[in-house]
Amino acid sequence: AQSVTQPDIHITVSEGASLELRCNYSYGATPYLFWYVQSPGQGLQLLLKYFSGDTLVQGIKGFEAEFKRSQSSFNLRKPSVHWSDAAEYFCAVGADNDMRFGAGTRLTVKP
Amino acid sequence: ETGVTQTPRHLVMGMTNKKSLKCEQHLGHNAMYWYKQSAKKPLELMFVYNFKEQTENNSVPSRFSPECPNSSHLFLHLHTLQPEDSALYLCASSFGFTQPQHFGDGTRLSIL
Repeated sequence: AQSVTQPDIHITVSEGASLELRCNYSYGATPYLFWYVQSPGQGLQLLLKYFSGDTLVQGIKGFEAEFKRSQSSFNLRKPSVHWSDAAEYFCAVGADNDMRFGAGTRLTVKP
Repeated sequence: ETGVTQTPRHLVMGMTNKKSLKCEQHLGHNAMYWYKQSAKKPLELMFVYNFKEQTENNSVPSRFSPECPNSSHLFLHLHTLQPEDSALYLCASSFGFTQPQHFGDGTRLSIL
């Protein structure tokens, strides 16, 4: 079965700085890849997804992610973070009729 | 836009009470899920339903009893819960198991 790892439990960035959240997966082929965001008191919201094709995918709220097969990674990026981006971010991997979520990375944004 | 509605949003109950959580989706999805989200722990998948049939039960204690009367509704019946069951319970739905899941805002459950 596939697995997903988010190495960073908590990241703090200054408002306006760039952001990169890491996600690594383990699976024999190319799985479906997702990033979700969870704001306090809410459920998870899909930011973007990768199924195939262009390895750089654009999502909502100015986020993008790049699939790198050689590194089994699907890192999430944003060029300039806003205070409203403070939330928990989850990477997920879909394969073999199964979906696995990472443990999440909590993002704090400093003024 | 949620598309998935969970009620109630908050629930406080004693260990001897019986209550139910409700989830409703009108997205036409065939798969529905219950997750448990506890502080400082990864998201835990509890139950999966596909077209009303339960396809997965991840060793969940019998004090949690799911019910899926149709593809749009999912319930989680609770009885004789323990303090460690206090958590956020999330419902989600999707077209198939590897497609994006749509989540409700959850029910915050507190066991006294």
